[in-house]
Amino acid sequence: EDQVTQSPEALRLQEGESSSLNCSYTVSGLRGLFWYRQDPGKGPEFLFTLYSAGEEKEKERLKATLTKKESFLHITAPKPEDSATYLCAVAHGSSNTGKLIFGQGTTLQVKP
Amino acid sequence: GAVVSQHPSRVICKSGTSVKIECRSLDFQATTMFWYRQFPKQSLMLMATSNEGSKATYEQGVEKDKFLINHASLTLSTLTVTSAHPEDSSFYICSAPSGVGTDTQYFGPGTRLTVL
Repeated sequence: EDQVTQSPEALRLQEGESSSLNCSYTVSGLRGLFWYRQDPGKGPEFLFTLYSAGEEKEKERLKATLTKKESFLHITAPKPEDSATYLCAVAHGSSNTGKLIFGQGTTLQVKP
Repeated sequence: GAVVSQHPSRVICKSGTSVKIECRSLDFQATTMFWYRQFPKQSLMLMATSNEGSKATYEQGVEKDKFLINHASLTLSTLTVTSAHPEDSSFYICSAPSGVGTDTQYFGPGTRLTVL
């Protein structure tokens, strides 16, 4: 069964304390893996798209990496404004249906 | 990045009434849009794929007669929740691919529906 699993479910960090969020996936024919940030009561905000194992992308304090089984979202020296729920999603299959499978998300809280 | 808007952002209605939610792609055209539902502290669940000029395709378990989707133009899709009941209260979010053949999607800000 196609599945996307994120861990941990919740993460509390002190400001400046770096850490990583995990997204593991079991799908047939990965077309792309996506990271989104979602603030309470808002729609997901696009962060990164990763297409192949070994690929890395960075944006400010965030860095996303991809292997054949999982992706990591590394947060370096986080600030309180980085507090949000981070969602991982995958597109898979031979045809581009546009459908995404989402993980349950990791809720990050960064304390000053 | 591409911008997707939704209207209204919040709606409260009485049980039995119908509610229409609009999803617009502001700076790009979208032949396909997607509608999701999100319950508190849960992830996004795909409800249906909205196709411009043709019928929407619904995910298993989603009632097509209850959740009417119309993709009237390349920039507008609407979701109508018919005969709404309290259990339909949820956060509804739409998304659209940023371009033809791309899997990257941009999401609207969401619509909070509360049915009394």
